[in-house]
Amino acid sequence: EQLVESGGGVVQPGGSLSLSCAASGFTFNSFGMHWVRQAPGKGLEWVAFIRNDGTTKLYSESVRGRFSISRDNSKNTLSLKMSNLRPEDTAVYFCAAFAGSYVGINYYYYMDVWGEGTAVTVSS
Amino acid sequence: DIKMTQSSDMAASVGDRITITCRASQSISNYLNWYQQLPGKAPKLLIFAASTLQSGVPSRFSGSGSGTDFTLTISGLQPEDFATYYCQQSHSSPPTFGGGTKIEIK
Repeated sequence: EQLVESGGGVVQPGGSLSLSCAASGFTFNSFGMHWVRQAPGKGLEWVAFIRNDGTTKLYSESVRGRFSISRDNSKNTLSLKMSNLRPEDTAVYFCAAFAGSYVGINYYYYMDVWGEGTAVTVSS
Repeated sequence: DIKMTQSSDMAASVGDRITITCRASQSISNYLNWYQQLPGKAPKLLIFAASTLQSGVPSRFSGSGSGTDFTLTISGLQPEDFATYYCQQSHSSPPTFGGGTKIEIK
C-alpha cells in the first residue's frame, strides 16, 4: 500500500499549482481520499475530501472556492488543483486514504495510508 | 467545527511511562484517532475508536477515554517513540486535529 505525492514547488501569491497523488498496492476506487497539510513547524490541518466514487467533495473553509479535489479511478490518481494561492497556503501537502473498521456494532473511520508529502511554497 | 486541545510538549526518558491528553470541545463519543509523526515523515495511525490498536502497533501504546476527554499512554518509552503525537476526531465533518504533543528526550 503506497501513496506518492508530486507537483509541489514554489509559486507566487495569486498563482496556481496542481498536486497529484499516485496510489498503488490497494483498491484505490474503494477508498475515500483526503488532502491534509502541515505548515512549517505547525500541526496537521485537513484540507479536502473526496468520496471513493467522486460524488461527494468537501473542503475546509480556508480553501473552499480556491482548491478543487478530483480523482481518476482508472489511473489510481488523486488530484488537488490550487488557485489564487496565498502565503498561508505554504505547507507540506499529504494525501491519505480514508479507511474504517467495525468495533462492535459501530464503524470508525481513520486516515490509514499516507503519502510522504509534497512541499508547496507561496512566496514572491 | 469541533476543537481538539492536546497537552503540552514534554521531555521524558527511555523506559518512562507517559500520558498525553486530548480534549474535544464537545462530546465525540469514542470517535477519536491517534497518530504518531516522526520528524520529516508522514503521520502514522496508532489507535482508532479511542482505544483500538492499529495492526502492527506495539502493545506499549494504549488509548482510553470517551465523550470529551481522552488519553494516549506509552508504557516504557523506546528511542523510536520520541515523536509528535496528534489526536483527531472522526465524529463529524470536518475532521479536526489537535495541535500535537512533542515528546522529547530528557
